[in-house]
Amino acid sequence: RKEVEQDPGPFNVPEGATVAFNCTYSNSASQSFFWYRQDCRKEPKLLMSVYSSGNEDGRFTAQLNRASQYISLLIRDSKLSDSATYLCVVGLGNTPLVFGKGTRLSVIA
Amino acid sequence: GAGVSQSPSNKVTEKGKDVELRCDPISGHTALYWYRQSLGQGLEFLIYFQGNSAPDKSGLPSDRFSAERTGGSVSTLTIQRTQQEDSAVYLCASSFGTGSTGANVLTFGAGSRLTVL
Repeated sequence: RKEVEQDPGPFNVPEGATVAFNCTYSNSASQSFFWYRQDCRKEPKLLMSVYSSGNEDGRFTAQLNRASQYISLLIRDSKLSDSATYLCVVGLGNTPLVFGKGTRLSVIA
Repeated sequence: GAGVSQSPSNKVTEKGKDVELRCDPISGHTALYWYRQSLGQGLEFLIYFQGNSAPDKSGLPSDRFSAERTGGSVSTLTIQRTQQEDSAVYLCASSFGTGSTGANVLTFGAGSRLTVL
């Protein structure tokens, strides 16, 4: 089983739609969780950290389910500019962060 | 500096040549990572430096790859006797490391695109 698994997509959604991505991780001791966004031919950039209680940043909501070892990202009212690859990232102490391969989102006008 | 700086941004080399890629992390960041990303693929972990600890080299694909970090700051990734399959974008990232919430949030450089002919 891979350490961090994501559905590669692509998810093709119309503007204004709500879309959700899930990510599962294999190490139950994992302590830190993030979503990064990567635009085509650009470097990844932090979208948001994921906290145990769940957190929201504008149209984006992240949830963590430790019992089932998954993380989710919900995007409401999708914009064309949300088109990108979304990377799930999991960390444990001083060990290297582990990146999922990403889920590609295309928002269509 | 304000961000993670990588050089060169683009490098074209002939098969068999050695290349050096440089990363200048954010000042004060103790953790430094190198990743590789081939076209259309995910990030492949290469090596991780954390403070004065021995680096985690578990991701280096072969002994042709090596990296060092001098003075806890600038890092150089060296690829010897390059092969065509080494063609990729090499991304460097840094973070504060450990000690507080958000300490391991990574900031990436823009990458060095390597093409081996």
